[in-house]
Amino acid sequence: ETGVTQSPTHLIKTRGQQVTLRCSSQSGHNTVSWYQQALGQGPQFIFQYYREEENGRGNFPPRFSGLQFPNYSSELNVNALELDDSALYLCASSLGGQRWSTDTQYFGPGTRLTVL
Amino acid sequence: AQTVTQSQPEMSVQEAETVTLSCTYDTSENNYYLFWYKQPPSRQMILVIRQEAYKQQNATENRFSVNFQKAAKSFSLKISDSQLGDTAMYFCAFQGGSEKLVFGKGTKLTVNP
Repeated sequence: ETGVTQSPTHLIKTRGQQVTLRCSSQSGHNTVSWYQQALGQGPQFIFQYYREEENGRGNFPPRFSGLQFPNYSSELNVNALELDDSALYLCASSLGGQRWSTDTQYFGPGTRLTVL
Repeated sequence: AQTVTQSQPEMSVQEAETVTLSCTYDTSENNYYLFWYKQPPSRQMILVIRQEAYKQQNATENRFSVNFQKAAKSFSLKISDSQLGDTAMYFCAFQGGSEKLVFGKGTKLTVNP
């Protein structure tokens, strides 16, 4: 059984650019959630995808968008990068059977994004 | 909105001793889940233990156990026989009838030899 993987590990961008982060869910999982973790803070929920549809969203602007593919892998896209977007981006997968997934979320190793 | 509070930013313990990390939460929901996650310097968030609110029995996983007090909205983590590999950030998290985990700000635990 493979765990959650994320790519790339590190990324450096400049203000105004766009970035795409990728996540492969754990085998058998159909739900992916994305979190932003600023330095010294706990993770903040960005959004969740269940069977290729957005299943809930946190307090993030529309320039944060996502996709989920038929194999349940997912992308997080951030447009018009700002300095405050510098953070660790964590992806978590779970097995959701209902609209709200309360099954345990298992995390990937994260992508460290630095915006200069 | 749910909130999770971890009042101990940093703690330290000697190897082989026992340490307890505190967590309180606020919610109006009756059915929910509580978690402790560990985040070592490698950054990977690792599940330590999970508690379902409808279960009165406290969850246990080897050296890790919780003290779940539903009325007091308290969820502490006890680590017995602390090991050097337990050094990490520990996050308490809440999940109610929605899709998201709500995390506390974390407690940095250092296990000293």
